[in-house]
This record gives sequence, structure tokens and C-alpha cells, in this order.
Amino acid sequence: AQSVTQLDSQVPVFEEAPVELRCNYSSSVSVYLFWYVQYPNQGLQLLLKYLSGSTLVKGINGFEAEFNKSQTSFHLRKPSVHISDTAEYFCAVSGSFRDTGRRALTFGSGTRLQVQP
Amino acid sequence: NAGVMQNPRHLVRRRGQEARLRCSPMKGHSHVYWYRQLPEEGLKFMVYLQKENIIDESGMPKERFSAEFPKEGPSILRIQQVVRGDSAAYFCASSPGLAGTDTQYFGPGTRLTVL
Repeated sequence: AQSVTQLDSQVPVFEEAPVELRCNYSSSVSVYLFWYVQYPNQGLQLLLKYLSGSTLVKGINGFEAEFNKSQTSFHLRKPSVHISDTAEYFCAVSGSFRDTGRRALTFGSGTRLQVQP
Repeated sequence: NAGVMQNPRHLVRRRGQEARLRCSPMKGHSHVYWYRQLPEEGLKFMVYLQKENIIDESGMPKERFSAEFPKEGPSILRIQQVVRGDSAAYFCASSPGLAGTDTQYFGPGTRLTVL
């Protein structure tokens, strides 16, 4: 079974400050990792994903994340946030279909990023 | 290239009525997933379908819920005899289902309110 823990339910930060949203996962098989963003009353938009290869992944809107297998983490970072980054951020994990026979994503409970002027 | 389409965006039902949610996947995608998001929670997987087949329904409640993805037309999530606890946002996602990628693209969701 897989699980995802997002340690912070809310992260307040001032505009132009750096931010890190934490995500830890547990899985008995190799994983694919994702970060999605959800703006109010909207669907989920893919920010970035790790499938294999380089552990530092760059996504849209200036976000990046680093896969750390030894610490089972996939933290999301941005060096300078904008007001428009205010949203809910979800970390998600899936295993390869060959290993798990499943394609479902397992989501964390979300982190609400609140960017203040 | 249109994204994943869901309708209706908002649905209000009274207890005991049926709710029918529709999802049209992205062009070229043959795999559809349904997730439910309860207030203040993350998304929970419900069911995964390919055309005319249910592949994984391990997250579906045993009663009142059903899903289909016919050869022609959108995928349908059906909730019979709705109760207040069914109030949630229901999201559909699609993927091409190609080996080596599991990226799912989400629709805008249907927000179901049960009175």
C-alpha cells in the first residue's frame, strides 16, 4: 500500500519570499511522484512530476521539486512566490502499473499556500 | 486540444434522488479515473475504467455507486438514492494509458450538493 503525508496543512508566506511545501511518501515499490495545484473552485493542474532520471524536477510557474529516495521525500520549492500562487497544493504518488497492477493516484491531504502582500 | 470535460459543474439533489455525473476524456485518452474530494480533504480514488471495462473499482462504495465508460460517449458516474454524506466534489481524470507514463489530467470537477 502507498501513502502520502503532507506535514503542513497551511503555509503563510510573504510575497517574494521563498517557500517549501513538504511531502513524504511510503511505498514498497518504485514510485512516480506528482505535485498538483488547485485554485479555488477549479480542478487540479499538474505542476511537475518525477518518473525517473534526474532527482531535481522543474515544473511550471517557477516551481521545482527534489526526489530524495533515502528520505522518501518529494518537497516542492519556489525561490520567490507571487500573490497568484495562493492555492491548494497536493502531492500524489503512484506505482508503476507493472509493479502494482494499479494506476490510481494516492493523494496527500493538501497544503494551503497563502501568499500575503 | 480540449482538456477533460465534466458536466454539470454544479449539481443539487435532494436526499433519495439520483445523481449522474459525466466526463469526457482528453482527445486520444482511453483511460478514465474518478476521484472524490470531501470538504477540507484530499482526493480519494474511486474507480478506473477503460472503454467498456471497469479495471479497478477498489475505491467505490459497495452500494449506490456505479460507473461506466461506454464505447461511444462520456464516462458516467451514477449515485443512486443520494444522502447528505455524498456532498463532495467529484473529479474525473484521463490518461493515454501508454506504458511508462501515469500522468493523469484532471477536469474541473462536479460539485454535488445534497439537500
